[in-house]
Amino acid sequence: DAGVIQSPRHEVTEMGQEVTLRCKPISGHNSLFWYRQTMMRGLELLIYFNNNVPIDDSGMPEDRFSAKMPNASFSTLKIQPSEPRDSAVYFCASSLEYSGGGYEQYFGPGTRLTVT
Amino acid sequence: AQSVTQLDSQVPVFEEAPVELRCNYSSSVSVYLFWYVQYPNQGLQLLLKYLSGSTLVKGINGFEAEFNKSQTSFHLRKPSVHISDTAEYFCAVSEPGGSYIPTFGRGTSLIVHP
Repeated sequence: DAGVIQSPRHEVTEMGQEVTLRCKPISGHNSLFWYRQTMMRGLELLIYFNNNVPIDDSGMPEDRFSAKMPNASFSTLKIQPSEPRDSAVYFCASSLEYSGGGYEQYFGPGTRLTVT
Repeated sequence: AQSVTQLDSQVPVFEEAPVELRCNYSSSVSVYLFWYVQYPNQGLQLLLKYLSGSTLVKGINGFEAEFNKSQTSFHLRKPSVHISDTAEYFCAVSEPGGSYIPTFGRGTSLIVHP
């Protein structure tokens, strides 16, 4: 398996522009997570999907952030409009969840977002 | 609610020396425990995990960790580190039967000097 695939790997945009980050989870995994990592705040969970349904989006910073998972093999995280404070590395991770609890997560390589 | 504390933000060590990275957790129920490693400019990857059974868990790259329920700890150890072990290490906990969402610690930066 190719692992979790994220695109783009790097994104530089100007404040006010729309940014869309993409993720393809590992085939067969039924849970998907979006994280944001910064030096100041560490690794923050933004949103979690199970079987394509958003379960917990309490970590989404504000209405400018939205995430979708239209099918089991694709998810997007959108920021509109973007702001300089959104600059961070955004990770997508997937895992296979079943009764008994969560198992380990498999992380993608991340998207480094810079908003100028 | 579960939480994870990694007591050291940075651990410098010389090559071939032993190392221990500390992790303590709080949870009111039984737990699953994980250690992940993040090399520069990469995503996190699993080093090892404790689900049940033997409290001493062996992982990749010569790392091991011991689950201590009474101390609520899951410290990571390696008897002899290499330069290539320089990375960020994250401890994580999740609760079987409860929320599947793991809680991550803030990370410990292991810096191996020649």
